[in-house]
Amino acid sequence: KQEVTQIPAALSVPEGENLVLNCSFTDSAIYNLQWFRQDPGKGLTSLLLIQSSQREQTSGRLNASLDKSSGRSTLYIAASQPGDSATYLCAVRDSWGKLQFGAGTQVVVTP
Amino acid sequence: ETGVTQTPRHLVMGMTNKKSLKCEQHLGHNAMYWYKQSAKKPLELMFVYSLEERVENNSVPSRFSPECPNSSHLFLHLHTLQPEDSALYLCASSPANGQFYGYTFGSGTRLTVV
Repeated sequence: KQEVTQIPAALSVPEGENLVLNCSFTDSAIYNLQWFRQDPGKGLTSLLLIQSSQREQTSGRLNASLDKSSGRSTLYIAASQPGDSATYLCAVRDSWGKLQFGAGTQVVVTP
Repeated sequence: ETGVTQTPRHLVMGMTNKKSLKCEQHLGHNAMYWYKQSAKKPLELMFVYSLEERVENNSVPSRFSPECPNSSHLFLHLHTLQPEDSALYLCASSPANGQFYGYTFGSGTRLTVV
């Protein structure tokens, strides 16, 4: 069974620092990996989608890397802002086509 | 708006009530999902519909009853719920057989059972 782990569970940084969020998964047989953002009490907003054949994806200040063989992905957020405060979720689409989620990393960026 | 619309946004219901959650998408997707998000727990997949057929039911109690009348609409009918069913219920959609595509989520319905 695919298990997805996100470390750390919570992170607090001052504005301007770079954020590094980690995601690991136990079964490397995945189709893709998706990073989401969730604001308190709200739905999920897709940030980046990385296919299993790709090494990274970039969108603005966000960059996500994927090392499928080692079962790891990292989300980098450059020059963090208070508006980046949210919970970030990692999800892998496994070989059955199901989306398996980690528990998330709660991020607080202080002004 | 993400392209997936959920109503209502908030719902408070008693344990003897019957209510329904609605999800609608106009993204041309033909797979739809219900997820439950409880405090401090990862998202739990409840039901999967692909091409309007239910293809997965993850041991969800019968007090939750899904309905997918067409590829754009998904309902979750609720009856005789328990307080532990209080959670954020999220709907998502994706292309069926499109394992290389991502999911699109709605904003969720915050359910409180009293």
